[in-house]
Amino acid sequence: GNSVTQMEGPVTLSEEAFLTINCTYTATGYPSLFWYVQYPGEGLQLLLKATKADDKGSNKGFEATYRKETTSFHLEKGSVQVSDSAVYFCASDSNYQLIWGAGTKLIIKP
Amino acid sequence: KAGVTQTPRYLIKTRGQQVTLSCSPISGHRSVSWYQQTPGQGLQFLFEYFSETQRNKGNFPGRFSGRQFSNSRSEMNVSTLELGDSALYLCASSQLPGQKNSPLHFGNGTRLTVT
Repeated sequence: GNSVTQMEGPVTLSEEAFLTINCTYTATGYPSLFWYVQYPGEGLQLLLKATKADDKGSNKGFEATYRKETTSFHLEKGSVQVSDSAVYFCASDSNYQLIWGAGTKLIIKP
Repeated sequence: KAGVTQTPRYLIKTRGQQVTLSCSPISGHRSVSWYQQTPGQGLQFLFEYFSETQRNKGNFPGRFSGRQFSNSRSEMNVSTLELGDSALYLCASSQLPGQKNSPLHFGNGTRLTVT
C-alpha cells in the first residue's frame, strides 16, 4: 500500500541554519503531497502542498519540490527561526485519506 | 472566520466507559474527518463525513463510530474504552471531501486519557 517515510527526529539546529527534512513516498499513480506543521498544543496546519510532478510548494520561507523520479518531497528553509520549532508531517493523499509520515520534531536553538 | 473547534480539550475516562467527542467545522465546510494521533502509531484516519453521510472509514474496530449533523457539526463516539484508546483525537474540516483542492483545517484536538 501507499506509505510516507520521513527522517526521524528530533532535528536540532541553531537559528539561521539551513533546514532540510527528507520525505519519500510510495504510491500508485500520482498523489498530491503535503507538509503540515504542528506547533505545541495545537492541531496541524497546512504548510504547503504540490499536486503534480515538478510543482514547488512554498510558504513562510519553506519550500518543497515534488520529485517524481526520486519519489521525494523534501522540506527546506534557508534560515530557520526559533519560532519554527514544531513537529513537521509529510503526507500524501491516497483515494480518500491522507497517508502520514511519522513526523519530525524540529528544535531551533537561539 | 472561526477555526475548527473541538470539545472538550481534555478528557479522562476509565476502561469500559464510553465517550463522545464533538467537532464544529469552519463555517461553510461540509466535510469532517477524524484522526487518532498517538506516539507509537502516528496519525491514523478514523472516518470522514460529508453531508451527513460517512464516506470513508479507516481500519478501526466498530467501537469507534461517528455521525454528522445537518449543520455539519460532527461527533465521534468510542464505546467500551480500552487503555490503548488514549490518544489525541483530531478533527479536520474541508470544503469538499478529498485533499487535492480542498486542504484540511485541523482543530486543536481532544486529549483522551483512559485509566
